[in-house]
Amino acid sequence: QQQVKQSPQSLIVQKGGIPIINCAYENTAFDYFPWYQQFPGKGPALLIAIRPDVSEKKEGRFTISFNKSAKQFSLHIMDSQPGDSATYFCAASIGSGGYQKVTFGIGTKLQVIP
Amino acid sequence: KAGVTQTPRYLIKTRGQQVTLSCSPISGHRSVSWYQQTPGQGLQFLFEYFSETQRNKGNFPGRFSGRQFSNSRSEMNVSTLELGDSALYLCASSLTGGSTYEQYFGPGTRLTVT
Repeated sequence: QQQVKQSPQSLIVQKGGIPIINCAYENTAFDYFPWYQQFPGKGPALLIAIRPDVSEKKEGRFTISFNKSAKQFSLHIMDSQPGDSATYFCAASIGSGGYQKVTFGIGTKLQVIP
Repeated sequence: KAGVTQTPRYLIKTRGQQVTLSCSPISGHRSVSWYQQTPGQGLQFLFEYFSETQRNKGNFPGRFSGRQFSNSRSEMNVSTLELGDSALYLCASSLTGGSTYEQYFGPGTRLTVT
């Protein structure tokens, strides 16, 4: 059962464009929504994260938009650069018994062409 | 501070064999989680260890097992390997989990089963 649905699975944009990656979740108990960036040959690295009481969060060129009523959240990359080419994973987690169980989306392979 | 290290980085095994993968978390981190990453399934949670105890487990068969030592280092074992076990195995460490669950991933072990 895929609890976090991520789309698209691949995305090609030109340098300077604004790629948008969308995720949808089903379980309203999720209370933490991180995004990870993964380069080939490396493990995923935490990029930015949001909690459901906030509708938007920006860190540099990366912005998360969160729609609690629609159970959707998305990642926008402003002024995208070829160095942003990577696979991006959204995730959702639930606090349970003092720790969190994390569910990942399928991933989006982003290519930014010069 | 050193990051999460995983050994070996690459491994080739034959069907029916068993394999042990190792993960050293960031110093001071007590939680270690293991994930299987494949192109079709994304990141699938295997299990999490905290203070030498498995406190969360994903939906994988009993052939997949793990343990954690008193220094927080963790090992994952897969017995009776199948072709479908070929994947990138990632471990991630975090301080304790809790309400700010930030995971730091290692580079992974690429397992190929022939």
